[in-house]
Amino acid sequence: LAKTTQPISMDSYEGQEVNITCSHNNIATNDYITWYQQFPSQGPRFIIQGYKTKVTNEVASLFIPADRKSSTLSLPRVSLSDTAVYYCLVGVKGGGDRGSTLGRLYFGRGTQLTVWP
Amino acid sequence: SAVISQKPSRDICQRGTSLTIQCQVDSQVTMMFWYRQQPGQSLTLIATANQGSEATYESGFVIDKFPISRPNLTFSTLTVSNMSPEDSSIYLCSVVVLGQPQHFGDGTRLSIL
Repeated sequence: LAKTTQPISMDSYEGQEVNITCSHNNIATNDYITWYQQFPSQGPRFIIQGYKTKVTNEVASLFIPADRKSSTLSLPRVSLSDTAVYYCLVGVKGGGDRGSTLGRLYFGRGTQLTVWP
Repeated sequence: SAVISQKPSRDICQRGTSLTIQCQVDSQVTMMFWYRQQPGQSLTLIATANQGSEATYESGFVIDKFPISRPNLTFSTLTVSNMSPEDSSIYLCSVVVLGQPQHFGDGTRLSIL
């Protein structure tokens, strides 16, 4: 499984756009890129998943360059409630068209995003 | 998405004892997993809970220490055996339903004295 590297922490202010980049140099051809968000005392929550180019949902956008060796999670206009740890994961996507990821997930260290007023 | 209920939500235990954590899902799921999150750390996969057969453990985790059951498609248990302070962690259950992202429960916060 491809290893991922993310910044340990990032700071932002309310209303700003935040971009968190993840490196995955050894990504395999059939690997998808998935991002999770985790608040204290809660389990991780799925944000977005993609394979290439750009994916956008109501929460975030995911940008993946052609070589797929990195990806960038973009959070538009963050608020205080976006303060959380964000995890980038690489793995095989199972069946389904809404991001089903059959198989085991291996979490890296994640990025602690702190949003200030 | 599937609703996951983990019990207990937290517990404080004496060293040398064992605790069984339950994971109940409100719908039939394809796969169930157990993770551990030590204080201030990321999540580590313990094992895949297989219905009706022995769980598949990741490197560093063994059945004698973390026995797992999955009697049906909606329920699984993880037992933390012969606990020591190093087992103080959050233990999380996750599930996969076809067509949906892998979904996590809020975990069981376990402290060993």
